[in-house]
Amino acid sequence: AQSVTQLDSHVSVSEGTPVLLRCNYSSSYSPSLFWYVQHPNKGLQLLLKYTSAATLVKGINGFEAEFKKSETSFHLTKPSAHMSDAAEYFCVVSDKRDSGYSTLTFGKGTMLLVSP
Amino acid sequence: NAGVTQTPKFRVLKTGQSMTLLCAQDMNHEYMYWYRQDPGMGLRLIHYSVGEGTTAKGEVPDGYNVSRLKKQNFLLGLESAAPSQTSVYFCASSPGFPNDETQYFGPGTRLLVL
Repeated sequence: AQSVTQLDSHVSVSEGTPVLLRCNYSSSYSPSLFWYVQHPNKGLQLLLKYTSAATLVKGINGFEAEFKKSETSFHLTKPSAHMSDAAEYFCVVSDKRDSGYSTLTFGKGTMLLVSP
Repeated sequence: NAGVTQTPKFRVLKTGQSMTLLCAQDMNHEYMYWYRQDPGMGLRLIHYSVGEGTTAKGEVPDGYNVSRLKKQNFLLGLESAAPSQTSVYFCASSPGFPNDETQYFGPGTRLLVL
């Protein structure tokens, strides 16, 4: 069985300071990992994904994440926060199946608050 | 290319009423999914489909039924709505592993059951 733990339910930063959103996972397979962002009253947008290629993954809007197998972590970072980054972020692990579909397991989310 | 669309955007039901949520995708994806999102719970899988004419149960299937009569459409039905089904419902589609296991989400349907 797979699981995802987002270590912080809320993170507050000031505009222009670094962002760190922490995620640990467990999986019986070689996992694929994703970060999605959800702005208020909107759907989920893919930020970035790791699928067993480079361990440092770059996404949209300046975000990146590093896959660390030894630590079973996939933390999301951004060097400098912008007000528009305020949203809820979900770490997701994919359970790949031979039949071709994958089941996603979502973390409970981290709300990022950005102050001026 | 609209991606994944959901109809309706918002609905209010009375306990015991029925309704159908429609999901449509124009990306020719094989796999489609229905999730519900509740505060502090992340997203939980209700049902999914691995192709036209197929459906399967997810993590929280009770009280819901689904159908995939056409490849581009995935319907979620509530036969007798209950207040516990008040939630935001998201549909997603995916080409499938190994091509691309990324799931692409619709904008959501907010459902309130009184």
